[in-house]
Amino acid sequence: DVKVTQSSRYLVKRTGEKVFLECVQDMDHENMFWYRQDPGLGLRLIYFSYDVKMKEKGDIPEGYSVSREKKERFSLILESASTNQTSMYLCASSLPGYNEKLFFGSGTQLSVL
Amino acid sequence: DAKTTQPNSMESNEEEPVHLPCNHSTISGTDYIHWYRQLPSQGPEYVIHGLTSNVNNRMASLAIAEDRKSSTLILHRATLRDAAVYYCILSSGANNLFFGTGTRLTVIP
Repeated sequence: DVKVTQSSRYLVKRTGEKVFLECVQDMDHENMFWYRQDPGLGLRLIYFSYDVKMKEKGDIPEGYSVSREKKERFSLILESASTNQTSMYLCASSLPGYNEKLFFGSGTQLSVL
Repeated sequence: DAKTTQPNSMESNEEEPVHLPCNHSTISGTDYIHWYRQLPSQGPEYVIHGLTSNVNNRMASLAIAEDRKSSTLILHRATLRDAAVYYCILSSGANNLFFGTGTRLTVIP
């Protein structure tokens, strides 16, 4: 089975801190994604990547950046965390091509105080 | 991306079939219909997807209306472990699927 691992289950940071959320997948998937999930809003796509060193903005990229230096790892970076970035962050990966299944990690609940 | 409409919540008795509806009246000819579910404290997991014909797998069945403007996810025999939020999603081909707020399914023992 595909495994998508997110480095932390819970994270508490202070306003203004730089935050790194790490995601690693073990099935050699080309595609990787970062979503955030908020009550009443569903999942919203932040950034995605179709290959190493490649990134594309999703629906809500403001305040975030990403890094994909290796195929198996996709990092989400909050340059200066703010309280409105308190959320559940979900990483996913998939094979290339259309309509491939997304495989999700268990999520990181980030609280910014 | 074309959007979907699902009921906010549904209830089912354990061991009975469950029919989860989804309306997608603006679906285009190339949109696939995907279903994912999210169990408590977990990320979403793939359930099933289809284009025009009904689809079956070990988890569920997907019934697609002839005009493709609606579909129904069928769980043949609900268990307590099926309690989750179920998302109906249209994909125009790219992998960046749009997840709405889904249907919260409660299974009653």
